Amino acid sequence: DTGVSQDPRHKITKRGQNVTFRCDPISEHNRLYWYRQTLGQGPEFLTYFQNEAQLEKSRLLSDRFSAERPKGSFSTLEIQRTEQGDSAMYLCASSVETSGEETQYFGPGTRLLVL
Amino acid sequence: AQSVTQLDSHVSVSEGTPVLLRCNYSSSYSPSLFWYVQHPNKGLQLLLKYTSAATLVKGINGFEAEFKKSETSFHLTKPSAHMSDAAEYFCVVMGGGGSYIPTFGRGTSLIVHP
Repeated sequence: DTGVSQDPRHKITKRGQNVTFRCDPISEHNRLYWYRQTLGQGPEFLTYFQNEAQLEKSRLLSDRFSAERPKGSFSTLEIQRTEQGDSAMYLCASSVETSGEETQYFGPGTRLLVL
Repeated sequence: AQSVTQLDSHVSVSEGTPVLLRCNYSSSYSPSLFWYVQHPNKGLQLLLKYTSAATLVKGINGFEAEFKKSETSFHLTKPSAHMSDAAEYFCVVMGGGGSYIPTFGRGTSLIVHP
């Protein structure tokens, strides 16, 4: 158990609906990352936060995707008007930089299926 | 720019035989390199990491990896495979120069036969 939790673990939704996922990082980890993983591929970076500031977003993150980390603790990832192509595993990871080194610890993921 | 190539999509071994999972990387800076393992329906677990200290890195469950700058490689090895090692393995590069964004390889599926 890495200590990063994600909710829900599974989500089935119909095309066009909005979905929201939550990630709770390891306490005192100031960095939080979101990834998307499709079948047979490695995780692809979506966005990351340092404390409450969203510092970088991938070009993969379309306007339908939004992420927040309002108090620098948990984070939410919302997908509006879901499409079948959004079906994937959404992973969250947290980290803290120590002496110039950083290791990310991953949660179990939220598997999204868009019908 | 950084990239990582896992040279084999699948590796099949017999239980008790050595494991070699190959990874080559490209980075404009001195990178940090990681191996993660993902068991079915489980989260990614860190196996080991290289961050510019010793080039031979030992990880959990008997795995180790050697950083070879001249070959831009970071291959993962284990002397003797166990059935529980069957999983997906990901090589990850995170470059220096202020970049905190890791790049994952496509993964290597390790199959262990009894």
